[in-house]
Amino acid sequence: KAGVTQTPRYLIKTRGQQVTLSCSPISGHRSVSWYQQTPGQGLQFLFEYFSETQRNKGNFPGRFSGRQFSNSRSEMNVSTLELGDSALYLCASQEGVFAFFGQGTRLTVV
Amino acid sequence: AQKITQTQPGMFVQEKEAVTLDCTYDTSDPSYGLFWYKQPSSGEMIFLIYQGSYDQQNATEGRYSLNFQKARKSANLVISASQLGDSAMYFCAMREIGANNLFFGTGTRLTVIP
Repeated sequence: KAGVTQTPRYLIKTRGQQVTLSCSPISGHRSVSWYQQTPGQGLQFLFEYFSETQRNKGNFPGRFSGRQFSNSRSEMNVSTLELGDSALYLCASQEGVFAFFGQGTRLTVV
Repeated sequence: AQKITQTQPGMFVQEKEAVTLDCTYDTSDPSYGLFWYKQPSSGEMIFLIYQGSYDQQNATEGRYSLNFQKARKSANLVISASQLGDSAMYFCAMREIGANNLFFGTGTRLTVIP
């Protein structure tokens, strides 16, 4: 089986812009979670989708949003980017209790 | 309160030696799972090992074993016969059954010395 694919791997955006990140989970997995990793805050849960429905959401402002498509692929969007949004964004493909991560998208906001 | 605590920001180990990475957790849920992940400099989080709260035996996966002490709420990772490729960040994480997300510790950076 192919692993979790996140695109793009690297992004540089300007403050105020918006960005969309993509995640393709492992074939057959219907649950996708997103995490933000920063040196200061560590790994923090953003949201989780299962069968196109958001089941759980972390403590992030409304600028962070996501969606999941019928093929389980997921996207997350960040609007009105701030410098503090610079981070590694990790997507996890979940089956049962197990979560398998992609390589992440490293977003730099300048 | 922190759900997962990793008190060792950095650890050094000689190649071929064993090393223990500490992890303590806090939960009132009787049903939970504990995980260890490895994150090399490339960024990908690699799943290493899992321990369920009701598992009677400590989990093992190749050179990785989890020293699970439920009463002390600790779940230490033991890496035997360290290799240079083991140099990475290691994260302990917990999922409470019924929750759809993982809580991560702050990680331990392991450096294997030749």
